Amino acid sequence: GNSVTQMEGPVTLSEEAFLTINCTYTATGYPSLFWYVQYPGEGLQLLLKATKADDKGSNKGFEATYRKETTSFHLEKGSVQVSDSAVYFCALPGAGGTSYGKLTFGQGTILTVHP
Amino acid sequence: DTGVSQDPRHKITKRGQNVTFRCDPISEHNRLYWYRQTLGQGPEFLTYFQNEAQLEKSRLLSDRFSAERPKGSFSTLEIQRTEQGDSAMYLCASSGSAAAYEQYFGPGTRLTVT
Repeated sequence: GNSVTQMEGPVTLSEEAFLTINCTYTATGYPSLFWYVQYPGEGLQLLLKATKADDKGSNKGFEATYRKETTSFHLEKGSVQVSDSAVYFCALPGAGGTSYGKLTFGQGTILTVHP
Repeated sequence: DTGVSQDPRHKITKRGQNVTFRCDPISEHNRLYWYRQTLGQGPEFLTYFQNEAQLEKSRLLSDRFSAERPKGSFSTLEIQRTEQGDSAMYLCASSGSAAAYEQYFGPGTRLTVT
């Protein structure tokens, strides 16, 4: 089945530092790819998505590019803020058929940003 | 709409007891999902519904677990004869059919089995 591997954390940065969180995937075909974020005390929410190869998803200053050659979807932000402190999850759909609708998540990366 | 809500937010129970959790999805969403999340891990899929039909169940969902969505609106997840290994955060999410992977998550129910 489809699976995702996320870089081990946690990640600790100073404000305005550059962020990269690595994500690689194994999948049948070229599924859509997602980053979800979980802020402290809140439910997971979709951060960004890319639906086909070479697409770049972006939101709130975060970006991720769907790279089929390297089967990667790394999350980046040029200048992090304290408010970006959260847990970030890479995700992709289950394989087709009745798995449509099921999301498979990475283990999550805890990001802490200090002032 | 206030988003996906879950009740209770926390549940402490003794091993062997039954527990039931409720999820109220976003009203216009016809798909509803249950996931389980343990510490340091990402959510793991348990089951999902389209309207009132349960379309898929994970192998993680042993026969002690049952989920229902009787009128295609709210859903319940029941765990019978709880075990300490059931301790986890139980997450509910909902989506529309057209954007099934853009799921909106509730805050979760944290279950502790003592």
